[in-house]
Amino acid sequence: SQTIHQWPATLVQPVGSPLSLECTVEGTSNPNLYWYRQAAGRGLQLLFYSVGIGQISSEVPQNLSASRPQDRQFILSSKKLLLSDSGFYLCAWWHETRNTIYFGEGSWLTVV
Amino acid sequence: GNSVTQMEGPVTLSEEAFLTINCTYTATGYPSLFWYVQYPGEGLQLLLKATKADDKGSNKGFEATYRKETTSFHLEKGSVQVSDSAVYFCALAAYSGAGSYQLTFGKGTKLSVIP
Repeated sequence: SQTIHQWPATLVQPVGSPLSLECTVEGTSNPNLYWYRQAAGRGLQLLFYSVGIGQISSEVPQNLSASRPQDRQFILSSKKLLLSDSGFYLCAWWHETRNTIYFGEGSWLTVV
Repeated sequence: GNSVTQMEGPVTLSEEAFLTINCTYTATGYPSLFWYVQYPGEGLQLLLKATKADDKGSNKGFEATYRKETTSFHLEKGSVQVSDSAVYFCALAAYSGAGSYQLTFGKGTKLSVIP
């Protein structure tokens, strides 16, 4: 079956600590993958997208980075978190055959 | 670049009222159009979609028609329920070359339905 998963679902991290959020898709190959952030009560901000292994496009320069080490894996990272990094992070997958955007479950990050 | 503009909320309606959330877009080519719904504390779920002009997407009593002449994709429901309270996002997907698709979202409209 074709699915998308991201984890962890919730995390509380101190300022200055590292971050790693992982997103994986199953049942497809060479997917277009995206990382979005949603600040409290606001819309979706595109952070990164990737069309293939090792190919990352950054939309907003900031304290975060992304990597695509495998075809179906997309990782969002930070070396040192800031308070402003708090928010709801969503991984998304453009399913070209079904012409649909699928989202992961989301990850709530609180930086304290 | 592409853009999506949807009416700002919040929108508060009484149960059984008629709902319209306006959405207009700017895009080159022939984008696919979507409405996504986000319930409190959850991720985004696909509500409905339309992939070409004059298509009507429908689901759970909601519907929206892809109007290319007015570049619009307004969301409607004839009779809302308390359970429809959520944030609604209008979105488009457009091919941007080299195997890449640009996904563009509106800012979201919060709907509250009161009994």
